[in-house]
Amino acid sequence: NAGVTQTPKFQVLKTGQSMTLQCAQDMNHEYMSWYRQDPGMGLRLIHYSVGAGITDQGEVPNGYNVSRSTTEDFPLRLLSAAPSQTSVYFCASSPGQWEQETQYFGPGTRLLVL
Amino acid sequence: RKEVEQDPGPFNVPEGATVAFNCTYSNSASQSFFWYRQDCRKEPKLLMSVYSSGNEDGRFTAQLNRASQYISLLIRDSKLSDSATYLCVVNPGGFKTIFGAGTRLFVKA
Repeated sequence: NAGVTQTPKFQVLKTGQSMTLQCAQDMNHEYMSWYRQDPGMGLRLIHYSVGAGITDQGEVPNGYNVSRSTTEDFPLRLLSAAPSQTSVYFCASSPGQWEQETQYFGPGTRLLVL
Repeated sequence: RKEVEQDPGPFNVPEGATVAFNCTYSNSASQSFFWYRQDCRKEPKLLMSVYSSGNEDGRFTAQLNRASQYISLLIRDSKLSDSATYLCVVNPGGFKTIFGAGTRLFVKA
């Protein structure tokens, strides 16, 4: 199993550009989520999904869209990039909807918005 | 007040030392608790879950104090390889997990 994969590893955008961060998992996990990590802030939840076709907002959803058309994939779209979206983005998955389940993280995407 | 608060450190300890981290959480209804480890520029990985009765995994011991709303992590006989950031993670219920900002640990030879 590859686990959770993310592409790209690094990206530089100009303000106003749009892009999609890809996330895929091959563990047949129901729950997937996107976090951003900024210095001194910890990981903050952007959006999450409890299964194909079901998504919901996390703590900091503004400026981001998600969709979950398959169990495996959970892309994150930046609609119009802003410098405040410069961050490290992590995708995670867990086996079920239960609170106690471990989250498995991808290696992250480092995004710089100029 | 942040929902999950940790001392950011850094903690600088010599090899073989015992070090303890605390983490406080604000939602008294929180149901599950974890410690994750994050190496520099890497993704977080689960270190251990924290159970009401406390639990131990080798040199690591985790405790939960619901009355005071804090969890702790004790590392005995520190190794150089323990150098990392330790993230306190709390699930207040539902599908939203709250991460603390992390405590940095440096173990020196």
